[in-house]
Amino acid sequence: DAGITQSPRHKVTETGTPVTLRCHQTENHRYMYWYRQDPGHGLRLIHYSYGVKDTDKGEVSDGYSVSRSKTEDFLLTLESATSSQTSVYFCAINPTGYGYTFGSGTRLTVV
Amino acid sequence: SQQGEEDPQALSIQEGENATMNCSYKTSINNLQWYRQNSGRGLVHLILIRSNEREKHSGRLRVTLDTSKKSSSLLITASRAADTASYFCATVRGGTSYGKLTFGQGTILTVHP
Repeated sequence: DAGITQSPRHKVTETGTPVTLRCHQTENHRYMYWYRQDPGHGLRLIHYSYGVKDTDKGEVSDGYSVSRSKTEDFLLTLESATSSQTSVYFCAINPTGYGYTFGSGTRLTVV
Repeated sequence: SQQGEEDPQALSIQEGENATMNCSYKTSINNLQWYRQNSGRGLVHLILIRSNEREKHSGRLRVTLDTSKKSSSLLITASRAADTASYFCATVRGGTSYGKLTFGQGTILTVHP
């Protein structure tokens, strides 16, 4: 989607390795979010940010950390990947008063 | 836990028919949103309805909101094969929520040509 990009699009990693997913926006929005999508669970919020260096936990934050050192970048790190973290990860931005704009997603497989 | 629950989980119709999907939620909300997701793609925002609104229209989409019943419905009229997708409702809770969305599990809509 215009204004928000995620990288990488696909990644296979081994159990126990650290992994960082990147979300980059060009819209200068204050709020950014990381969700994971799994069959039977819909989308669940991992972490969110309400400004540079301002982040907080979501519903399923265990095993994940985030950082936001610039308005445009929101990084999601799996400290030590586990098979339960195999999922599709979506980043989103929130223009106030409108719906979210989602990135295209990162499909992560932990083997 | 899921704030929004959609019904039905799957819906199969013929092109030209109308499709209705329902969503229920548990807590007070600031607004409710509907999204579409085509297979393997990101979510696309369809429509947002605020807690003080009862109905909104956008093209072939009609959304209603009943805050007394904590429920919403999405109607797609004159469906097309291209409407085949998963549809999610999502809510923003009242109060200070930083705009966080809580999603339901979605309805899979299949429109047969």
